[in-house]
Parts: sequence; structure tokens; C-alpha cells
Amino acid sequence: NAGVMQNPRHLVRRRGQEARLRCSPMKGHSHVYWYRQLPEEGLKFMVYLQKENIIDESGMPKERFSAEFPKEGPSILRIQQVVRGDSAAYFCASSLGLLNEQFFGPGTRLTVL
Amino acid sequence: KNEVEQSPQNLTAQEGEFITINCSYSVGISALHWLQQHPGGGIVSLFMLSSGKKKHGRLIATINIQEKHSSLHITASHPRDSAVYICAVRGGGGADGLTFGKGTHLIIQP
Repeated sequence: NAGVMQNPRHLVRRRGQEARLRCSPMKGHSHVYWYRQLPEEGLKFMVYLQKENIIDESGMPKERFSAEFPKEGPSILRIQQVVRGDSAAYFCASSLGLLNEQFFGPGTRLTVL
Repeated sequence: KNEVEQSPQNLTAQEGEFITINCSYSVGISALHWLQQHPGGGIVSLFMLSSGKKKHGRLIATINIQEKHSSLHITASHPRDSAVYICAVRGGGGADGLTFGKGTHLIIQP
């Protein structure tokens, strides 16, 4: 039973480019969470999605960031026109339901040059 | 908004010592997680607690809901336990995602 999968594991982008981060939840999990860990800082919640719905995006920057979790396929976190301050580790977690334990993926480390 | 405080921030101990890491939070919660992160590595969920105590191998986690406090204990510590241990809470108002402490950097020396 595979765990939460994220790809790519490392992503390098130049300023102004787009970054697409993918997350495949554990089998049977329909709840996905995205978290960001800035260098030397703690983890921060970004967005919570269920299949085809954004439930809570209160932690997501209002501009340039978007997330989706389509009916088929992985959840995508999209960052448009990246800036150096977007360099961070982005972790995805999944759960069976809101009240169930969250399991984390290995993270995507984004570097913006 | 829930404030999550962990102590100590850094802890260095000798192999075999009993380790305690503390976590307190400001607002009532529905669940508390203990996570482990190795340098440059992913995040492993150790426990999810809503009351009482849980044990897994050499790890024990307790929570006191009334006092808004949780502890993570490691018995017979080993150098491979060296990692960052993170407390995270769910509920208590605000976002549906977890609110995290800053982590405790644990080093176990041989």
C-alpha cells in the first residue's frame, strides 16, 4: 500500500516561471492538505481540498497560488510567476476524513533562482 | 488562532537517556499530532491523540486536554532518534489544517 507520493522531489525554477507540484494521496484517501516550510521556519497550512472542492484556502497567498484536486489524477499546487521568496519545501498530506490522522508525503523542494 | 509552543527548542542527550519533549497550546483542540522530521527529509506521523496516552515501541505520547498540554517521551534513546520533533494541533478555531509548533531539535550522542 503506497504512501503519499509527491513529485517532483526537487524543482528548480527561474523567477517568473511557473511551478507545478503534484500530490497523489494514499489509496482510499479523499482529503488532501498542502503545507509550506520556509527555510529555518516552521510548517504552515496552505489549503485543504476534497475531490473537486477547495474546502479551506485560508493559508494560501491570494495571488499567484492555486490548488486543485480533480476527480481523476493527483492534487496540483500551482505557483505562477515564482519569486525567490517561494523557495521552500512543500508538503502534501492526506487523510480518510477531516478527523482522521494525516499522512505526509516526502515533500517537493522548490528552489527559485 | 491557536498558539503552539514547544520546549525545549534544542536538546542534546547521551544514548540511553530518557527524553521528554513538551507541547502546549492556547485553544481547545480536536486532536494533536506528534511528527518526526530528519534533516532534509520527509515528515513521519508518530501519533495522533485526542485524549490519554499512546505507546509505540520506545515512544510514548500523553495529552492532558484540561491543561492543554502534551508530552512526547523516548525511552532508551538512540542516535537514530536524532531528528526534529514537531507538535501540531487541529481545531480550536481557524483553518481546517494543522497548526504547528516550531519543533524540538534532538541530538542523541553515542
